[in-house]
Amino acid sequence: EPEVTQTPSHQVTQMGQEVILRCVPISNHLYFYWYRQILGQKVEFLVSFYNNEISEKSEIFDDQFSVERPDGSNFTLKIRSTKLEDSAMYFCASSEPLAEAHEQYFGPGTRLTVT
Amino acid sequence: QKEVEQNSGPLSVPEGAIASLNCTYSDRGSQSFFWYRQYSGKSPELIMFIYSNGDKEDGRFTAQLNKASQYVSLLIRDSQPSDSATYLCAVPHSNYQLIWGAGTKLIIKP
Repeated sequence: EPEVTQTPSHQVTQMGQEVILRCVPISNHLYFYWYRQILGQKVEFLVSFYNNEISEKSEIFDDQFSVERPDGSNFTLKIRSTKLEDSAMYFCASSEPLAEAHEQYFGPGTRLTVT
Repeated sequence: QKEVEQNSGPLSVPEGAIASLNCTYSDRGSQSFFWYRQYSGKSPELIMFIYSNGDKEDGRFTAQLNKASQYVSLLIRDSQPSDSATYLCAVPHSNYQLIWGAGTKLIIKP
């Protein structure tokens, strides 16, 4: 069964450093998303991406964040200068727009720890 | 501000019984509703979606939607210890970004 994959599973970085989180969405999906979940808190939407551009972003997704689809399979989230409060699980998701309910499927996540 | 509300629990249910999980939402215009299961330290896993009033059944799971009252529920029949997890209700907003409830922690006691 096709699935969303994410690398790395765990990333430790120092405050101020840049990190790139990688995702490979399900191959026939056209919408891609990043969410994050701070430990013990709700899942929060960051950004959605369709047709090689951002379709929506939340207030969390400020100038420190960017997304890219560098080739036909990868979808990346870059945080330019990490802060302590960026420590969270980051989930990539994808969906197929012609699906019955446009349901989103999640990758296993990357745990980002900023020290 | 669109909101999705869930009782955080924990909800404790004996093995073999029916677990009932509830979710209310604020946006009367919402069309579809999703239930995800999340094990500790893992990602959300889609269980069911529903977009018509009434019941939708899939194996041991039944989703119930009442748009007039703005609630959606998930019933788990014949609960198993492996059903112990946090159940997340999610509602799409605008271009399909999901708005999430905080989740209900379900504990199935053997």
